[in-house]
Amino acid sequence: DIQMTQSPSSLSASVGDSVTITCRASQGISNSLAWYQQKPGKVPNLLIYAASTLQSGVPSRFSGSGSGTDFTLTISSLQPEDVATYYCQKCNSAPFTFGPGTKVDIK
Amino acid sequence: QVQLVESGGGVVQPGRSLRLSCAASGFSFSHYAMHWVRQAPGKGLEWVALISYDGSYQYYADSVKGRFSISRDDSKNTLYLQMNSLRPEDTAVYFCARERTGYYIECWGQGTLVTVSS
Repeated sequence: DIQMTQSPSSLSASVGDSVTITCRASQGISNSLAWYQQKPGKVPNLLIYAASTLQSGVPSRFSGSGSGTDFTLTISSLQPEDVATYYCQKCNSAPFTFGPGTKVDIK
Repeated sequence: QVQLVESGGGVVQPGRSLRLSCAASGFSFSHYAMHWVRQAPGKGLEWVALISYDGSYQYYADSVKGRFSISRDDSKNTLYLQMNSLRPEDTAVYFCARERTGYYIECWGQGTLVTVSS
């Protein structure tokens, strides 16, 4: 099965900073990748699908890129409400494995 | 609006069975594939199972294959997860989730907690 990794596992940044999270698949998955945000005590929320398509209602400061094995999620200007854990997920075929998550907080 | 409401969680002894249900409303249930995803306390998300929109195929994570079974009843707009031979490591909040096209998860229930303990 394809394994998903994320880096870093956690990060701390200032409000207004640009933040980048990386997700890597152990084999190519084309662009079949999603990014989710899970705020503390809440259910996950779809941010990005098909690697770079912004889900309706998601702020434009979130963007995704990549294809094949390497993907990135960028928050262009970190806001206090972005404190959360971010997960990638492969969606090309089963099993639809999640990455281990990246915890983002404010410095 | 889309609503997914899980039920059936609770405390169960190792080796026993439990069936989770997910009542769906606010959309055409029979048009969508559905997932179960779980999250152990303080841990990350783990995909568990998927059933196609018409029930013709199901997929499972290796960790539950042969023990769990996903099914759906479109006449009741309800998704199920039959969990047999439960283990302590199955302890988690179980989320019912609806796909958008391409198996991405667009909508989530609030989850139901399953605790496997003697």
